[in-house]
Amino acid sequence: AQSVTQLGSHVSVSEGALVLLRCNYSSSVPPYLFWYVQYPNQGLQLLLKYTSAATLVKGINDFEAEFKKSETSFHLTKPSAHMSDAAEYFCAVSDNFGNEKLTFGTGTRLTIIP
Amino acid sequence: DAGVTQSPTHLIKTRGQQVTLRCSPKSGHDTVSWYQQALGQGPQFIFQYYEEEERQRGNFPDRFSGHQFPNYSSELNVNALLLGDSALYLCASSIQGFSNEKLFFGSGTQLSVL
Repeated sequence: AQSVTQLGSHVSVSEGALVLLRCNYSSSVPPYLFWYVQYPNQGLQLLLKYTSAATLVKGINDFEAEFKKSETSFHLTKPSAHMSDAAEYFCAVSDNFGNEKLTFGTGTRLTIIP
Repeated sequence: DAGVTQSPTHLIKTRGQQVTLRCSPKSGHDTVSWYQQALGQGPQFIFQYYEEEERQRGNFPDRFSGHQFPNYSSELNVNALLLGDSALYLCASSIQGFSNEKLFFGSGTQLSVL
C-alpha cells in the first residue's frame, strides 16, 4: 500500500524567507507524487507533480519539489514566502499516471509572519 | 468555464438520516471522483465513476454509494448517517486516461451530522 507522511502539521515562516514543507513517501512501485494547496473554503489546487520525467519539478507560484529516491522524499520549497502563500498544503501519491485514486498526507498548515 | 461545482455548500443532518450530495464536473470531463476530508485530515478517496459505473472504490462501507448520469454529473449518497460522517466532501473531475494531469477539485460540501 502506498502512503505519504508530512512532517510538521504547522509551519510558520517570515515573509520573504524560504518555505520548506516535508513529505516522505512509501510505495512498492515507482510513485507518482503531487503537491496540492487548499485555501480556506476552497477545493484543492494542483501545485506540481512528479511523474518520473525529471527529479526537480517546478510548479505554479515559484514552488518546486525534488524527488529523492534514496531518501524517499518529495519536499516542497519556495525561495521567498509571500503572504498569499498562507494555506494548507497536501502531499499525495498515486500508483500510476492515470489513476484518480490519490492517497493524501494529513497536510501542513503554512502561516506567513509579516 | 464554471469548473467543478458542488451542491449544497453546507448541510446539517441528524444521525440515521440519509443525504445526497451533487457534483457537476468541469466542462469536457467525463470522470468523477469523490473524497472525504475529515477535520484536520487529508482527503480520503471514496470512489470514482466513469461511464456511469463505479470503477474504483476506497475503504468505505456500503452506506456510501454513488451514481453518475449521462451528462457526467454525479451524486454521492450516504445512508444511516453517523457522527463520524461529518466532513468536507470533495468532488474531483478529470478526463479518463489523463486523470492526474487534469484533476480538478470542487470547493466541497460541508456535512455536519448531529
